[in-house]
Amino acid sequence: DAGVIQSPRHEVTEMGQEVTLRCKPISGHNSLFWYRQTMMRGLELLIYFNNNVPIDDSGMPEDRFSAKMPNASFSTLKIQPSEPRDSAVYFCASPPIGGLTEAFFGQGTRLTVV
Amino acid sequence: GQQLNQSPQSMFIQEGEDVSMNCTSSSIFNTWLWYKQEPGEGPVLLIALYKAGELTSNGRLTAQFGITRKDSFLNISASIPSDVGIYFCAGQKKNSAGLVFGQGTRLTINP
Repeated sequence: DAGVIQSPRHEVTEMGQEVTLRCKPISGHNSLFWYRQTMMRGLELLIYFNNNVPIDDSGMPEDRFSAKMPNASFSTLKIQPSEPRDSAVYFCASPPIGGLTEAFFGQGTRLTVV
Repeated sequence: GQQLNQSPQSMFIQEGEDVSMNCTSSSIFNTWLWYKQEPGEGPVLLIALYKAGELTSNGRLTAQFGITRKDSFLNISASIPSDVGIYFCAGQKKNSAGLVFGQGTRLTINP
């Protein structure tokens, strides 16, 4: 089992550019979370999908952020346009089948917006 | 913002010492979890607690779910160099899928 796979691991982009972060959850898991980690605010939940449907997006900071899960094996988090304050590590997490609590995290994407 | 107060923020200990850290909240949580994060990696689940008063061990790690459901602690016995990292508590509320995380405890071990 390859675990949760995120790409890219690092992304540096200029302010105003569109950024797309990708996640491949653990095979067979039908739920997925996106979290953001910063020094100031720690780990924060952005959005939660179940069966590819967004269930709770109350953590998405602004309309510049959007997330999709077109199928059970792929999700994207897009920021358009990006701003320096979006710089953070973005994690995707995949809980086990039948459960929501014990989420397995990917290695994260470190985003730097300059 | 954060709803879990985790302490201490950092610890500097000697190898072999025991470690204790805790999380408190003004809110009730149905589940408490403890994660460890190492540089450049995502958090890794150490222990999950599902019932108030539950005491669970995982090797040298022991964690308890507070009886009021508003707190939890994690103990590490006989620390070793590979215990270095940032430890996070996380709570899940009833009818909520996502986790609320503490700010983390950074553990440094002097050999």
